[in-house]
Amino acid sequence: KAGVTQTPRYLIKTRGQQVTLSCSPISGHRSVSWYQQTPGQGLQFLFEYFSETQRNKGNFPGRFSGRQFSNSRSEMNVSTLELGDSALYLCASSSIPGTGPSNYGYTFGSGTRLTVV
Amino acid sequence: AQKVTQAQTEISVVEKEDVTLDCVYETRDTTYYLFWYKQPPSGELVFLIRRNSFDEQNEISGRYSWNFQKSTSSFNFTITASQVVDSAVYFCALRQTSYDKVIFGPGTSLSVIP
Repeated sequence: KAGVTQTPRYLIKTRGQQVTLSCSPISGHRSVSWYQQTPGQGLQFLFEYFSETQRNKGNFPGRFSGRQFSNSRSEMNVSTLELGDSALYLCASSSIPGTGPSNYGYTFGSGTRLTVV
Repeated sequence: AQKVTQAQTEISVVEKEDVTLDCVYETRDTTYYLFWYKQPPSGELVFLIRRNSFDEQNEISGRYSWNFQKSTSSFNFTITASQVVDSAVYFCALRQTSYDKVIFGPGTSLSVIP
């Protein structure tokens, strides 16, 4: 059974550009969540999607957006990149929405390492 | 307020030593969940354990054990006879029933030296 797949693994962008990250959940999982991990702020929840609808949202500016497709794959977009957006972006999938990492079946991908220069 | 504190930023131990990672949490809820995740160098977070607030029984899983004490709001994690493969960042986290998000601690980076 394939795990959560995130692409690309590494990305370098210039300040002001926009970026799109992709996450393919475990087959059968319809809930996808995104997290930002930085040395200064740690792990922070971005948003959760379930059945193509945003179900929950963290405290991030509107430059951070996401969507989910009918096949449960999700994309996260960051517009007008800032240096502070450099981070590891983790995606997690689950068959049960709303329970987050407290759910035994909540599985993380290996992340996309975004560097903004 | 809800908060998770992992006071140990980095720990280094020699292989086969025992090591305890501390976790202290704050919550006003009477019902909540605590758990530990491991993040190896590959990046993904690996679920280790979940404990609910009504279950103070300590748990042992192989070389891993967890000590949950509500009186001190602590949920400490001990690795017995550490191995190089245990080298990773370990996160303690809290989920309250009144707040539909998970709060992660800052993590403890464990290095096991051969």
